[in-house]
Amino acid sequence: AQKVTQAQTEISVVEKEDVTLDCVYETRDTTYYLFWYKQPPSGELVFLIRRNSFDEQNEISGRYSWNFQKSTSSFNFTITASQVVDSAVYFCALMQETSGSRLTFGEGTQLTVNP
Amino acid sequence: KAGVTQTPRYLIKTRGQQVTLSCSPISGHRSVSWYQQTPGQGLQFLFEYFSETQRNKGNFPGRFSGRQFSNSRSEMNVSTLELGDSALYLCASRLVGGPNEQFFGPGTRLTVL
Repeated sequence: AQKVTQAQTEISVVEKEDVTLDCVYETRDTTYYLFWYKQPPSGELVFLIRRNSFDEQNEISGRYSWNFQKSTSSFNFTITASQVVDSAVYFCALMQETSGSRLTFGEGTQLTVNP
Repeated sequence: KAGVTQTPRYLIKTRGQQVTLSCSPISGHRSVSWYQQTPGQGLQFLFEYFSETQRNKGNFPGRFSGRQFSNSRSEMNVSTLELGDSALYLCASRLVGGPNEQFFGPGTRLTVL
C-alpha cells in the first residue's frame, strides 16, 4: 500500500522568511516517483518537480529546493525568501511503478505568506 | 502550447441527476487521468485512460465512469448524483513514453443540491 503524509496542515510566515514543507511517504515498490504540486486559490494544480527513486540528488530551482532522503522516506520542499505569491496549498504526491499513472496525494499544506 | 482544458468550469445539479464533464489534454498527451478533490477526502484518483481504454481505476462506485476518444479527449460521467459527489473534479494529462509528470486542468466545480 502507498501513503503520503504531510503533517503540517497550515504554515504561516512573514515575507522573506524561509519555510520548509515536510513530506513522508510509504511504498513497497523499489521504483517510484515523487512530485510536488502547488494549488493556488484558482484551483489548478501546478507541477513543480518530479524525482524518481533512483535519484537522490537534491535540486534547486531559484528560490525552491528539494531534499529527497530514501533513508527516512522523506521528500521535503524549502522555499527561500518567501513571497506573498507563494501563498497556496502545496501537495506532495507518490506514483508507484506498479500503479500506472495513479498519483497518491498527501493531505496538503496551506502556506500563507504575510507581507 | 495550450494547457489542459476542462468544461464546464462550474455545474449545479440536484440529487439523482447525472452529469458529464469534459477534458481536453495537452496536444500530444495521450494519457488522461481524473481526480476528485473534496475537503474531507482530499485528492483521490478516479481513473486513467490511454488509447481509449481504461488502464487504471480508483476505489469509486460504478456510478462514476469515463471514456476517451480517438483524439485523446476524455469525458467522465456521474450518474444518480449524491450530495457527497459535490467536489472539484480535476483532469490531468501525461505524455506517454516520456517524463511521467501529470499536468492538470483548472477543474470542474460540481455542486449537488
